[in-house]
Amino acid sequence: DTGVSQNPRHKITKRGQNVTFRCDPISEHNRLYWYRQTLGQGPEFLTYFQNEAQLEKSRLLSDRFSAERPKGSFSTLEIQRTEQGDSAMYLCASSFPGILNEKLFFGSGTQLSVL
Amino acid sequence: AQSVTQLGSHVSVSEGALVLLRCNYSSSVPPYLFWYVQYPNQGLQLLLKYTTGATLVKGINGFEAEFKKSETSFHLTKPSAHMSDAAEYFCAVSETGTASKLTFGTGTRLQVTL
Repeated sequence: DTGVSQNPRHKITKRGQNVTFRCDPISEHNRLYWYRQTLGQGPEFLTYFQNEAQLEKSRLLSDRFSAERPKGSFSTLEIQRTEQGDSAMYLCASSFPGILNEKLFFGSGTQLSVL
Repeated sequence: AQSVTQLGSHVSVSEGALVLLRCNYSSSVPPYLFWYVQYPNQGLQLLLKYTTGATLVKGINGFEAEFKKSETSFHLTKPSAHMSDAAEYFCAVSETGTASKLTFGTGTRLQVTL
């Protein structure tokens, strides 16, 4: 399978706990994106990396959220001290850049439920 | 600031009927426009995109969309619906053409009935 892989598929946690999600992009893609999707809404951009550099962060990304891509391959998204409002689908996508031809490939997402 | 409005959170059509999913955008610069589809338990998949040039864009699975600047619209159509088209469809806009600046609409769930 050469698609974007996200783990775990589902995560249930108690409020106040820390959680970490992993994304493995398509191997030749050097850009990696994180989006968040809540029920009834479209995906919202959180952050993106080019190789290991985090180039942009949305204002949605509070200081409880941190993302890393240490070797320019897989990425992790950590949420500290989770809140019920963090419950959402967290989507990862990867691409090979090109101003007009960039195409995002999305993973199936990690569904987070904070109790 | 860019924004997208998708009219109708749910659309139901009969198999073989025309599919029309509406999308209107707001952008301060010439936009790049996208339609994505999300099947159950799968990631979003690009259906088609408009960047520059021809305003009628053809995508995968028989879908097409027309960019109408005067109406700030980018409606998605398919002449004949198939059961396999049942999914959620998202319109998105980018002011820069880069995926990092995508703003998605709230989505339209398409139901196809026999």
